[in-house]
Amino acid sequence: DIQMTQSPSTLSASVGDRVTITCRASRSLTTWLAWYQQKPGKAPTLLIYKASTLEGGVPSRFSGSGSGTEFTLTISSLQPDDFATYYCQQYDSYSTFGQGTKLEIK
Amino acid sequence: QEQLVQSGAEVKKPGASVKISCKASEYKFNSHYVHWVRQAPGQGLEWMGIISPSGGSTSYAQKFQGRVTMTRDTSTITVYMDLSSLRSEDTAVYYCVRGKEDSGYVLDHWGHGTLIAVSS
Repeated sequence: DIQMTQSPSTLSASVGDRVTITCRASRSLTTWLAWYQQKPGKAPTLLIYKASTLEGGVPSRFSGSGSGTEFTLTISSLQPDDFATYYCQQYDSYSTFGQGTKLEIK
Repeated sequence: QEQLVQSGAEVKKPGASVKISCKASEYKFNSHYVHWVRQAPGQGLEWMGIISPSGGSTSYAQKFQGRVTMTRDTSTITVYMDLSSLRSEDTAVYYCVRGKEDSGYVLDHWGHGTLIAVSS
């Protein structure tokens, strides 16, 4: 099984900050990686797939990059609605999620 | 509006089985894989498996092999997930999730979730 490791587990930031979350895979995924946002009590929503393709309707302040085993999700200027938990997902071999990164208000 | 409507919450005893339904509407059912993902209280997301609505083929995460069965009924546009030999660690919200039409493992539309509580 492919293992996915996100860092950090928790991130404290302020509105307007630029933040980056990292996801590392135990073996190469090429670019078969997606990012999801989850708010408390809600189902996750898709943000980015194929490492860097923005899902329709997702604000352009979200971006993804990377290939192989290391990937990043960047939010260019945090908005109040962005405080949530973020998960990466590999889909190179079936599917596995990272453990999540909780983005908190500083 | 595209929807995945799941069955309601249940409480089960250890050792029992549970079958959750997921009814699709307003999209081409046969064109999208359906996945099941679960989330234990306060924990992360865990992929359980996938079913092809058109042919019924399935793939399951190794952890659940032998305990999970995913089926579909094309006449009612419904997918089912059956989990047997329940234990307390199976207490979780279970989501059915649609895969994108052109990239079936990218999860673009999530059901509202079904809480399954396992307790004696």
